[in-house]
Amino acid sequence: DGGITQSPKYLFRKEGQNVTLSCEQNLNHDAMYWYRQDPGQGLRLIYYSQIVNDFQKGDIAEGYSVSREKKESFPLTVTSAQKNPTAFYLCASRRGTGALFNQPQHFGDGTRLSIL
Amino acid sequence: QQQVKQSPQSLIVQKGGISIINCAYENTAFDYFPWYQQFPGKGPALLIAIRPDVSEKKEGRFTISFNKSAKQFSLHIMDSQPGDSATYFCAASLTGGYQKVTFGTGTKLQVIP
Repeated sequence: DGGITQSPKYLFRKEGQNVTLSCEQNLNHDAMYWYRQDPGQGLRLIYYSQIVNDFQKGDIAEGYSVSREKKESFPLTVTSAQKNPTAFYLCASRRGTGALFNQPQHFGDGTRLSIL
Repeated sequence: QQQVKQSPQSLIVQKGGISIINCAYENTAFDYFPWYQQFPGKGPALLIAIRPDVSEKKEGRFTISFNKSAKQFSLHIMDSQPGDSATYFCAASLTGGYQKVTFGTGTKLQVIP
């Protein structure tokens, strides 16, 4: 079955440590996204990528970095500069970019990041 | 301009009742309005979506009503079931580009037997 796989499901970060969250999709989607979800808030966009080797900052990119070396992979690194990293992180993908009609985003099952 | 306001924050409905969640947007350029359903520990899943040229869309027990002049849209869940207990997010987006999606803050629905 096609879908989006996020790993690990739970992740713990020590002070001063960088951690990387994995996101892999086998839907052959062009665009990929990273969101952060906090209790009582909607999803906030961290980074997005429309094509391989290209990505753009979202609304809350500070303290995060990404890469897009392969179409199916879009890992997110939470750096030590992100002072409040505890959250539920969601990866999404979408078929096509600049499409005539909107296509829905498909989400993975998230990674919950906590501070040790 | 980019906000989507969602209410209520939480909702308790008896089994068999109607659940209603409301959203309002500001940017009149939005042209796609999806609703997502999220269960605890899972990612959101697309439930139903509507474009602004349609005033209502129904899929099974789920109906979106859209009022373009008022810039409001709502989700109605008919004959609500305990299995519908989840968090629901409305969203709005623009065609083209990278399709930034603006999400509402979510409504936690609990359907009690």
